[in-house]
Amino acid sequence: AQSVTQLDSQVPVFEEAPVELRCNYSSSVSVYLFWYVQYPNQGLQLLLKYLSGSTLVKGINGFEAEFNKSQTSFHLRKPSVHISDTAEYFCAVRGLMIKAAGNKLTFGGGTRVLVKP
Amino acid sequence: KAGVTQTPRYLIKTRGQQVTLSCSPISGHRSVSWYQQTPGQGLQFLFEYFSETQRNKGNFPGRFSGRQFSNSRSEMNVSTLELGDSALYLCASSRDTGGTEAFFGQGTRLTVV
Repeated sequence: AQSVTQLDSQVPVFEEAPVELRCNYSSSVSVYLFWYVQYPNQGLQLLLKYLSGSTLVKGINGFEAEFNKSQTSFHLRKPSVHISDTAEYFCAVRGLMIKAAGNKLTFGGGTRVLVKP
Repeated sequence: KAGVTQTPRYLIKTRGQQVTLSCSPISGHRSVSWYQQTPGQGLQFLFEYFSETQRNKGNFPGRFSGRQFSNSRSEMNVSTLELGDSALYLCASSRDTGGTEAFFGQGTRLTVV
């Protein structure tokens, strides 16, 4: 089984400032890692994913994340946020090599980012 | 290419009724997963269908069921609705069951009164 912890439920940040959203996971098997963003009254949009290879992953809208296997973390960063980045962000994992797991994603509790002018 | 389409977007039902939600995946995608999102429990996996077969099921009571048709469209049904079933129900589409990316629809907001 997998579990995901997002350490901050809310993160206020000023426009043009950097932001980091923290995500830690627990799993007995290797995982794929994802970050999704959800705008109000919308579904989830994939920001980026880590499957294998380079531990620094770049995504859409200037976001990037770093996979740290020893610390079981996958923190999301953006060097300069815009008002339009105000949204809720979800970290998710999917177990590999578990036939029964299929496409099941396990999500963290989410982090609300509020960008202030 | 059309995205994942969920209908209806909003629904109000009375306690004790039953409801059916629909999801049309991206063309060519054969896997459809359903999630429930509530403020208290967050995003929770309901079930996944692939090639008309349920592949995986989350920890929900038997009142929650689903099916998938030969064109990959999926429906989920909730019988004997309870107030706690009020939630945003999200459908995710993947190319196959070992896919590396899930595309989400905009969800159906169900309110049980």
